Amino acid sequence: EAQVTQNPRYLITVTGKKLTVTCSQNMNHEYMSWYRQDPGLGLRQIYYSMNVEVTDKGDVPEGYKVSRKEKRNFPLILESPSPNQTSLYFCASSQTGRGYTFGSGTRLTVV
Amino acid sequence: GQNIDQPTEMTATEGAIVQINCTYQTSGFNGLFWYQQHAGEAPTFLSYNVLDGLEEKGRFSSFLSRSKGYSYLLLKELQMKDSASYLCAVSAGNNRKLIWGLGTSLAVNP
Repeated sequence: EAQVTQNPRYLITVTGKKLTVTCSQNMNHEYMSWYRQDPGLGLRQIYYSMNVEVTDKGDVPEGYKVSRKEKRNFPLILESPSPNQTSLYFCASSQTGRGYTFGSGTRLTVV
Repeated sequence: GQNIDQPTEMTATEGAIVQINCTYQTSGFNGLFWYQQHAGEAPTFLSYNVLDGLEEKGRFSSFLSRSKGYSYLLLKELQMKDSASYLCAVSAGNNRKLIWGLGTSLAVNP
């Protein structure tokens, strides 16, 4: 089944403790993106990647890192999480940058 | 700047027709998407318009006018399960970045 898989689905962590949210797609897509979604603010792009080893900042990259060492994986790294990074996170992929397929989401709480 | 506007909330009755409008101001327009998102779930793709006109897909149709910077999503024969947020997004620029509206929360009442 064609899908984007994110893990974990839910995560509660403490301020400053490094964490990684994984994202993997099995569709051989070139484009991948990370979004966060907050009430009243909608979907905001954190980082995106147009291909292996090609990444760029989105609208809200501060406090996040990504890597794209292989086509299928696009992990999101929070080196030192803070409470303002509490949010619902989505990974998405697309072959042509047109219709994106989204992962199921990761609800992150930083206390 | 780049901007997308859509109504915050709409209410409709089961079996009826509803039209959700979206206006946009972007540079380097590539295409316009509509996504459906149920609360707490991932957005799911509904439609993609590149050229002007109406695209019909079952109970859902989407219209685009590039000259007016305007699109609408038309939902026919509304069902309770259509209660969700509907997101309008525009692909812009060479990197095909998606610019998202804040979504229209649709409540379908019996």
